[in-house]
Amino acid sequence: QVTLKESGPVLVKPTETLTLTCTVSGFSLSNTRMGVSWIRQPPGKALEWLAHIFSNDEKSYSTSLKSRLTISKDTSKSQVVLTMTNMDPVDTATYYCARISDYNFDYWGQGTLVTVSS
Amino acid sequence: QSALTQPASVSGSPGQSITISCTGTSSDVGSYDLVSWYQQHPGKAPKLMIYEVSKRPSGVSNRFSGSKSGNTASLTISGLQAEDEADYYCCSYAGISTHVVFGGGTKLTVL
Repeated sequence: QVTLKESGPVLVKPTETLTLTCTVSGFSLSNTRMGVSWIRQPPGKALEWLAHIFSNDEKSYSTSLKSRLTISKDTSKSQVVLTMTNMDPVDTATYYCARISDYNFDYWGQGTLVTVSS
Repeated sequence: QSALTQPASVSGSPGQSITISCTGTSSDVGSYDLVSWYQQHPGKAPKLMIYEVSKRPSGVSNRFSGSKSGNTASLTISGLQAEDEADYYCCSYAGISTHVVFGGGTKLTVL
């Protein structure tokens, strides 16, 4: 059974750095042609892809947020970590991690709501 | 503003069919058969309903189908049921620079 679960702070202050962890089970982060993506959704708004990392450690980032994002993985811990610097209230959103296979997001975590406020 | 354009809302009565369009460009939808559709109920995570334009994951009802023509992809739901009421998002691979783009989402109301 494939599962993903996001964890991290529920509240961050403006200018702080957000660190989110996605812990996966039911598949390995070393599986060929699979990876993990981060996707966010501001309240009442659409989904926005942020980044992904594949089994070969290939990383890709949203063009508009690239300067603020870093994605990494620890295969032994089955974890993928996303950091986002210089947080702003407009970054308030539910952050999801999802398994990506051939550019399809086939399994999703439950999401974690992150609020940016002083 | 989302990269892929979807109607904000569609509606239909139980038993009817509806189609949701997803318009992109020759750099995304028009160039790759890597269009997927996601269903999202309020407060829940999205669920993959269609991948690679027209394929259904195991467990997804055959009432859901997908297609593509040029730069526009479509999701059709036949035999509408109350449980289909949700938000639907399209998504496309967009090449090695942009990677992934989502649509703005469509709210489906079952009357």
